[in-house]
Amino acid sequence: DTEVTQTPKHLVMGMTNKKSLKCEQHMGHRAMYWYKQKAKKPPELMFVYSYEKLSINESVPSRFSPECPNSSLLNLHLHALQPEDSALYLCASSQPLAGGYNEQFFGPGTRLTVL
Amino acid sequence: KNQVEQSPQSLIILEGKNCTLQCNYTVSPFSNLRWYKQDTGRGPVSLTIMTFSENTKSNGRYTATLDADTKQSSLHITASQLSDSASYICVVTKKRDSSYKLIFGSGTRLLVRP
Repeated sequence: DTEVTQTPKHLVMGMTNKKSLKCEQHMGHRAMYWYKQKAKKPPELMFVYSYEKLSINESVPSRFSPECPNSSLLNLHLHALQPEDSALYLCASSQPLAGGYNEQFFGPGTRLTVL
Repeated sequence: KNQVEQSPQSLIILEGKNCTLQCNYTVSPFSNLRWYKQDTGRGPVSLTIMTFSENTKSNGRYTATLDADTKQSSLHITASQLSDSASYICVVTKKRDSSYKLIFGSGTRLLVRP
């Protein structure tokens, strides 16, 4: 299985809602990532988990809360989002860096719209 | 400043023609460079990945080159197909302490017309 899956594919939520994005991989990767991508822009790194521990938080607002319950799953909990948070949210996974190749495999993304 | 610049921003070609996309970077220290293809509303898919010592790598009709001295890379697409229409993103990995960071280019949007 060389796939990263993300659910849901699309999500529409109000600014007072609480929702979660889910990501799953079964490639044995021990590093997982959340990216945010606005239209016609490159992905922006949000969080990195390495061996189920948060290793990088790129100064993301607290209304985004990541969670890595096990080595195959990565969640992104959303609360009190703003309309400008509407974007494509991408999950990726890789082997942790040890030099050389550390190719990230991306999921198909969740298209989030905040009303 | 760590940057990855891609050109052109967008490109329109006829089906069956070849094209070359450019990527210049100033990222240091350099670990590797990858080209991704991203269809609209989908996640990026890796085409090639090259380290410092690799000059060229092919993946079917896609051939990437890397000149680590001039910090330039190119992606050549041969005999384009309609399905090649997508954004092509150049990504350079920067070593950062015991970790690393991906520096993304803004991408080239390619449209292949029949």
